[in-house]
Amino acid sequence: GAGVSQSPRYKVAKRGQDVALRCDPISGHVSLFWYQQALGQGPEFLTYFQNEAQLDKSGLPSDRFFAERPEGSVSTLKIQRTQQEDSAVYLCASSSRGAMGTGELFFGEGSRLTVL
Amino acid sequence: QQQVKQSPQSLIVQKGGISIINCAYENTAFDYFPWYQQFPGKGPALLIAIRPDVSEKKEGRFTISFNKSAKQFSLHIMDSQPGDSATYFCAASKGGNDMRFGAGTRLTVKP
Repeated sequence: GAGVSQSPRYKVAKRGQDVALRCDPISGHVSLFWYQQALGQGPEFLTYFQNEAQLDKSGLPSDRFFAERPEGSVSTLKIQRTQQEDSAVYLCASSSRGAMGTGELFFGEGSRLTVL
Repeated sequence: QQQVKQSPQSLIVQKGGISIINCAYENTAFDYFPWYQQFPGKGPALLIAIRPDVSEKKEGRFTISFNKSAKQFSLHIMDSQPGDSATYFCAASKGGNDMRFGAGTRLTVKP
């Protein structure tokens, strides 16, 4: 596709529910990142993939958060047993560069999660 | 944990004026310093970026000034326009794999 595509754009979940957020990066982009953006704040790093390998998951806030990118393209961020503090916009970004180069991050429009 | 501190939180500028946003970082290993622009409901988009081997970079009306010894960098928007009204984020990374963002500056340019 022309850009990074995320779905769903909006998700309302009841506390305790599991959610899955999908990211379809720009075709051929090696690197994929997930960020969490709380209202009025900057994006906070969650995790990073290079192809299918998850090289950094230091930003995942708890073991309820899990991300995968099994075939090195589409990625899914899963949040189990959602809590109200998980409410945020989840941004996905991709880059054509791998670990040894700094490339521009191309962001999707985000998935806004609201936990009631 | 905030590794990049940004100020001011909000900024109001008259059309034609200069907008200045400042950032300071802690980690001397950072080697890439971009600025991102975000409109409501959209993801951030790269505006301009600099590496620490230069002190200034200019692209059109946008200029980054970089002070390595002070660990600070700033964005200057010359001849600010109402269309520049958005939230601006500074960021820093080492090798591009763990981009850390500032908290953002909400810029309003009044006509």
